[in-house]
Amino acid sequence: GEDVEQSLFLSVREGDSSVINCTYTDSSSTYLYWYKQEPGAGLQLLTYIFSNMDMKQDQRLTVLLNKKDKHLSLRIADTQTGDSAIYFCAERPSNDYKLSFGAGTTVTVRA
Amino acid sequence: GAVVSQHPSWVICKSGTSVKIECRSLDFQATTMFWYRQFPKQSLMLMATSNEGSKATYEQGVEKDKFLINHASLTLSTLTVTSAHPEDSSFYICSARDQANNEQFFGPGTRLTVL
Repeated sequence: GEDVEQSLFLSVREGDSSVINCTYTDSSSTYLYWYKQEPGAGLQLLTYIFSNMDMKQDQRLTVLLNKKDKHLSLRIADTQTGDSAIYFCAERPSNDYKLSFGAGTTVTVRA
Repeated sequence: GAVVSQHPSWVICKSGTSVKIECRSLDFQATTMFWYRQFPKQSLMLMATSNEGSKATYEQGVEKDKFLINHASLTLSTLTVTSAHPEDSSFYICSARDQANNEQFFGPGTRLTVL
């Protein structure tokens, strides 16, 4: 089964880069997702990467995948106050529809 | 983009009553929808997979007679919490799988408070 782990908290100064880390355990081909959840709201898909890729960049977001260590990271460049939220890493095997979520990383952006 | 709505966004009910939560895919068809529960400061826990035109598949430990799921159309799934108790108070989130690309899109969630 899948087991997704994340660090729980991250505090970053406005304008700096944020890096959120995640590890996963599924060894088969898999999709890896990053979601953002603001207080009292649902989940917003930020980006995703397939396990045969090393990196994906989308504007301020960069996803890096280390397949050997099963380590995934999300880098947010020029972090803004609106980036304060909980960020969830999730995994989905390519042969299934179920998502397995990490515990979420609470990112706090300070002025 | 793909939009999923939930109704109501929040509900307060008395212990022992039943509450129905709707999940709708607004601009795409979803043969599969998922229901999650999220307790404060915790992650999402999958409760059940809702399949259009067939019975839902429940995760281990989730009582199917307490959490009734109906997926009668390609754009609507409902979750009914029967005989609700205070421990059922939680944030319930649905997601819908777009059958065109297999991606899941999440609703905004429903906050249930049982007094």
